[in-house]
Amino acid sequence: SQQGEEDPQALSIQEGENATMNCSYKTSINNLQWYRQNSGRGLVHLILIRSNEREKHSGRLRVTLDTSKKSSSLLITASRAADTASYFCATDQETSGSRLTFGEGTQLTVNP
Amino acid sequence: ETGVTQTPRHLVMGMTNKKSLKCEQHLGHNAMYWYKQSAKKPLELMFVYNFKEQTENNSVPSRFSPECPNSSHLFLHLHTLQPEDSALYLCASSQEVLAGRTGELFFGEGSRLTVL
Repeated sequence: SQQGEEDPQALSIQEGENATMNCSYKTSINNLQWYRQNSGRGLVHLILIRSNEREKHSGRLRVTLDTSKKSSSLLITASRAADTASYFCATDQETSGSRLTFGEGTQLTVNP
Repeated sequence: ETGVTQTPRHLVMGMTNKKSLKCEQHLGHNAMYWYKQSAKKPLELMFVYNFKEQTENNSVPSRFSPECPNSSHLFLHLHTLQPEDSALYLCASSQEVLAGRTGELFFGEGSRLTVL
């Protein structure tokens, strides 16, 4: 299975609700990053959390990292229709050199 | 506008054609990447360049040939491709501060390639 697996694969919520996406990985990491991709466009970096950090906030985004469970979560609070996109986690593995390994992503749909 | 520009945005080519994808970054970064994004599959890293030197070739078929003439420009030359090579090709750049550690990637909008 993939390093950086997101869960769920798809999530549909109403505007104003919170959205939580999870990411699991298998090997030790330097950092974990979350990206967003609107349909057919490039990826946009959202947030980076280092292996010695447990939680990070950026606006309506909250990311947690549990290295003992090799998992991370991305919480988007008070979601908006404009948050509709695919969300990917990417891991910078300790032994990977200059590369990020991406998961398959979670497709988030926020209904107005 | 991420500071990474890819051209063309869309490309249709036959299996016998030769074409090139171009990427330019205006961010002063020292690392550039090519990723392939196919439907229902995770992003696949193809090539990495650090300070114009190729540091990674992720077992990419030789019909894909990268070129990095300077730290701001990256090309992907395409030759005798197969229909299964149809995908979104994404270029990215980053500023590598520590060896072996990857920071934030800045992506271009991608080149949508269709091989007939």
